[in-house]
Amino acid sequence: AQSVTQPDIHITVSEGASLELRCNYSYGATPYLFWYVQSPGQGLQLLLKYFSGDTLVQGIKGFEAEFKRSQSSFNLRKPSVHWSDAAEYFCADRKMGGGGADGLTFGKGTHLIIQP
Amino acid sequence: DTEVTQTPKHLVMGMTNKKSLKCEQHMGHRAMYWYKQKAKKPPELMFVYSYEKLSINESVPSRFSPECPNSSLLNLHLHALQPEDSALYLCASSQESTVGRGVKTQYFGPGTRLLVL
Repeated sequence: AQSVTQPDIHITVSEGASLELRCNYSYGATPYLFWYVQSPGQGLQLLLKYFSGDTLVQGIKGFEAEFKRSQSSFNLRKPSVHWSDAAEYFCADRKMGGGGADGLTFGKGTHLIIQP
Repeated sequence: DTEVTQTPKHLVMGMTNKKSLKCEQHMGHRAMYWYKQKAKKPPELMFVYSYEKLSINESVPSRFSPECPNSSLLNLHLHALQPEDSALYLCASSQESTVGRGVKTQYFGPGTRLLVL
């Protein structure tokens, strides 16, 4: 079964510093990878996705991610974080099922703390 | 417009109550999903509807009963829940894939926070 691993439960970054959140996937075939962000008590907002093509993906809010098949990774990056980026970040892969609609399987999440 | 709406925002119910959660989207999506998210945990897939038919049931207890009355609406009927069912229930929708097992982006609603007493 597919799985997604986010090795870092918490990350603390100073405001204005760069950020990298790690994500590793386990599925052998080409994965369909997503990064979502969740503020406390809220739903999930899509930051970016990778299905195929260019391995460097640009997303919203200044985020980008790079798909590296050799490392089974899809790490999320931002050159300069803002206090409003403090949230929970989830990496996700498709969870294959029936028909033409697949659900998502999520990593355990990384809690991002921004220091002033 | 990529909005998925969910009602109610909060729900408190006793173990003998019957209640329903509602989800609505007007993006023309033909796939809709229910996820359950416990505190400080990732969302877990419960059900997938594709063209108003249940296509995935992740072995969810029968006290949760999904319903898709039309392509825009998705309900989750709750009956005889347990306190451990307290969680944030998230609805999502996506375009149906028309080619093989391709994946479309899922758009999430804000969730219904459920407390079972």
